[in-house]
Parts: sequence; structure tokens; C-alpha cells
Amino acid sequence: QLHLQESGPGLVKPSETLSLTCTVSGGSVSSSDYYWGWIRQPPGKGLEWIGSMSYSGDTHHNPSLKSRITISVDTSKNHFSLKLNSVTAADTAVYYCARHRKGSCSSTNCYLYYFDYWGQGTLVTVSS
Amino acid sequence: DIVMTQSPDSLAVSLGERATINCKSSQSVLYSSNNKNYLGWYQQKPGQPPKLLISWASTRESGVPDRFSGSGSGTDFTLTISSLQAEDVAVYYCQQYYGTPYSFGQGTKLEIK
Repeated sequence: QLHLQESGPGLVKPSETLSLTCTVSGGSVSSSDYYWGWIRQPPGKGLEWIGSMSYSGDTHHNPSLKSRITISVDTSKNHFSLKLNSVTAADTAVYYCARHRKGSCSSTNCYLYYFDYWGQGTLVTVSS
Repeated sequence: DIVMTQSPDSLAVSLGERATINCKSSQSVLYSSNNKNYLGWYQQKPGQPPKLLISWASTRESGVPDRFSGSGSGTDFTLTISSLQAEDVAVYYCQQYYGTPYSFGQGTKLEIK
């Protein structure tokens, strides 16, 4: 059974960088059938997709956050990571990592579908 | 960007009764080349991550009880719980994966009447 677990600081100061890691067990981040994604949920609010990355480095970002985010995949450690810089209070949220089902690919792009496995989530608060 | 709008925002249904949640997309999520609707439904119980219930608008995931069903096409979709059980209390979200950025509805909170 696939298991994803987020880890990282629960408190980040404004203007600093939020860094989270998602460790995958029971499966491999090197799978060619999936991308690995991040979704966040501000307290009491809905879900926002942040971005997703394949093991080979192809990345899809939410344009609303693209300039501030970096996603990376480490196949040797079977984990993937998120960095979000210049954080503000608006970035306070529960951050989830998830497996993102990959569809067909053209020469330039792959289609991504639904999120079929999720981590438990980790609350990150931005506050001084 | 495709905007997903769910209705109602909250819903109270008696045990054993039918619950219906609607989801509308700002543009069609039906891909004409394969006649598939790029729409999923998730269930989020308090303190838990979302759980995928249905993909492709109507395909139940493995292990999901058959009282859950999805229907609709194009821009209008419905999640139906045929006979509400106590364990179905949750917030339900639809998600489109027709185009990036992949987006979710605002959620519908389902409670017991």
C-alpha cells in the first residue's frame, strides 16, 4: 500500500522560504505512470493545486504561484520536495503531497489527471 | 482557468435518504477525442486528507461503496449518495483535470439531519 508522509517546519517567518518534503513508501517516485504533486488548504477553506513533477524533472506549476515555487524529486531517497519563497500569512495552510496520475504525453507535454493517494498533510503557519 | 462551482455549500440529509451534490465547470471538461469527462470527486472527513471517490465523472475507485455514484457531462456533474450513512459525513469536492491549473470546487459540507 502506498504511503506518503509530509515533513518540515510548522512555523515559517514572513518573507522566508517554506520547505517541505514528502517521503514515499510502498512505491517508487521513479514510476513512469505518475507525477508527484503538492496541494494546499488554508484553514477552513478549499483545495488549491500548487504543482506536480515527474521523476524525470518535467514540472507543471499553478501560474498563481509559479514564480515562487520549486519542486524537486530525489529518486535516491524516494522523496520529493516543495520550496515556496517569500511567504506571507496568506500561505498559511495545510500542505498535502499526493500522487498525480499521468495520462498520455505529446512531444511537449503530458496530461495529468486526478490525485489518487494523499499524505496526511502538515500545517504550516506563517508568522513572526 | 477553469472555475469549478459546487452547490449547495452545505447539505443536511436524513440517514438512509439520498444526498445530491452538484458541480458546474466554467467550460466543458469533456474531451471530444475520447468522449471522457475529466472530472473527479473527493471526500474529505474531518482531520483527514481528501480521498478519491470517483474519476472520469462516473468511475468509482476500488473499495468505494456502490451507494456513491457520479453522473453528468460537459459542464454539469452530480455526485449522488443513494442511502446516506453516518460515516458519509464529510466535505465533498469536485476537481477538473481537463486543463492546468487543475482546480477544485469550493466544497460541499454534508451533514446528518
